[in-house]
Amino acid sequence: KAGVTQTPRYLIKTRGQQVTLSCSPISGHRSVSWYQQTPGQGLQFLFEYFSETQRNKGNFPGRFSGRQFSNSRSEMNVSTLELGDSALYLCASSRTDPNYGYTFGSGTRLTVV
Amino acid sequence: GENVEQHPSTLSVQEGDSAVIKCTYSDSASNYFPWYKQELGKGPQLIIDIRSNVGEKKDQRIAVTLNKTAKHFSLHITETQPEDSAVYFCAASRGGSSASKIIFGSGTRLSIRP
Repeated sequence: KAGVTQTPRYLIKTRGQQVTLSCSPISGHRSVSWYQQTPGQGLQFLFEYFSETQRNKGNFPGRFSGRQFSNSRSEMNVSTLELGDSALYLCASSRTDPNYGYTFGSGTRLTVV
Repeated sequence: GENVEQHPSTLSVQEGDSAVIKCTYSDSASNYFPWYKQELGKGPQLIIDIRSNVGEKKDQRIAVTLNKTAKHFSLHITETQPEDSAVYFCAASRGGSSASKIIFGSGTRLSIRP
């Protein structure tokens, strides 16, 4: 079966711009979580969506937002990009509860210049 | 807030030897402890997990131990092989879908020397 698909794989944006990243979970998975991965900070939890509702949220500023559609696909948006937003953004899906294991996508590498 | 500390940040072992990675967590309500392996260019992959009602779990060459009193848990890899080279992450959460914020440690880069 198809895995978690994240698009695009690579992205270069200019400081001040906004960006939208997309995640298609495994078929049948209704929970989608987003993480930011940087060399110094490891994997930082952004938010989790389930049935189109944000169920959990990490400690990121309001510039980071997300949403989930009725087909469970999810997008995250970062507005007013800063250089420090450069990171690998990972999406992970699970059937209903991440506490039975995530399946991660390969991520979107965002570079802000 | 919740925090997971992981040590060491890098680990190099001879092929065939054992590797141990240790993590501590701050939230005493945590009851689910997964371990993920991330290979170059890929997302993390779940390799083993343990829940607070057991102290140890094994899967072939991999084992995880949990000490709830001390709030620490460890990953043990025996008879290491070149394909074990990767970054390993521990994580902790309170479990339950309504509290499903899984907090990761900072990662351990494991290198297996031939």
